[in-house]
Amino acid sequence: SFELTQPPSVSVSPGQTASITCSGDKLGTKYVCWYQLKPGQSPVLVIQQDTERPSGIPERFSGSNSGNTATLTISGTQTLDEADYYCQVWDSSTVVFGGGTRLSVL
Amino acid sequence: EVQLVESGGGLVQPGGSLRLSCEASGLSFSRFWMTWVRQAPGKGLEWVASIKHDGSETHYVDSVKGRFSIARDNAKNSLYLQMNSLRADDSALFYCASGDFGSALDFWGQGTQVTVS
Repeated sequence: SFELTQPPSVSVSPGQTASITCSGDKLGTKYVCWYQLKPGQSPVLVIQQDTERPSGIPERFSGSNSGNTATLTISGTQTLDEADYYCQVWDSSTVVFGGGTRLSVL
Repeated sequence: EVQLVESGGGLVQPGGSLRLSCEASGLSFSRFWMTWVRQAPGKGLEWVASIKHDGSETHYVDSVKGRFSIARDNAKNSLYLQMNSLRADDSALFYCASGDFGSALDFWGQGTQVTVS
């Protein structure tokens, strides 16, 4: 089965750029989505189809996908961006999530 | 505004059954695939099952095959998850989500808690 690998945690200072990676075999041939999950809230889609921001998602969120790695980049990170982030793809009629990355802003 | 509202969770003994429901509003429910995703305590998101817009196709994660069944009633804008032979490791917050096959899960409900103990 297809697997997605994320670092368990990433730390960034407020105002700096955070990069969260997601790795998988030939991942660049699939569309990657990213979700933000804060405690007590439902997941929020922040990036779809590798690079697209849904309506209402701030411009500081961007995505890329090439080769075996997709990256979620948060520019000018704010304290309210502190959350768990999950990458996701579809593979052979199944949905696959990465293990999640806890972003700490401190 | 799109709303997905889950219900039906609760405390159940191992080997027991539960039926989760998800009522949708604000979207053309019958046009979209629907999906159940769960999050166990302290764990990440895990896909559980998905169903085609007309109910003609379903897919499950291996760990629930033969025990869980996903269904929908487009006339009622509702999605269901029948869970049988529940195990302790099925304990989780269960979310329903909408999104086309191969596309993002763009809308999510608030989740319903299932505890098997």
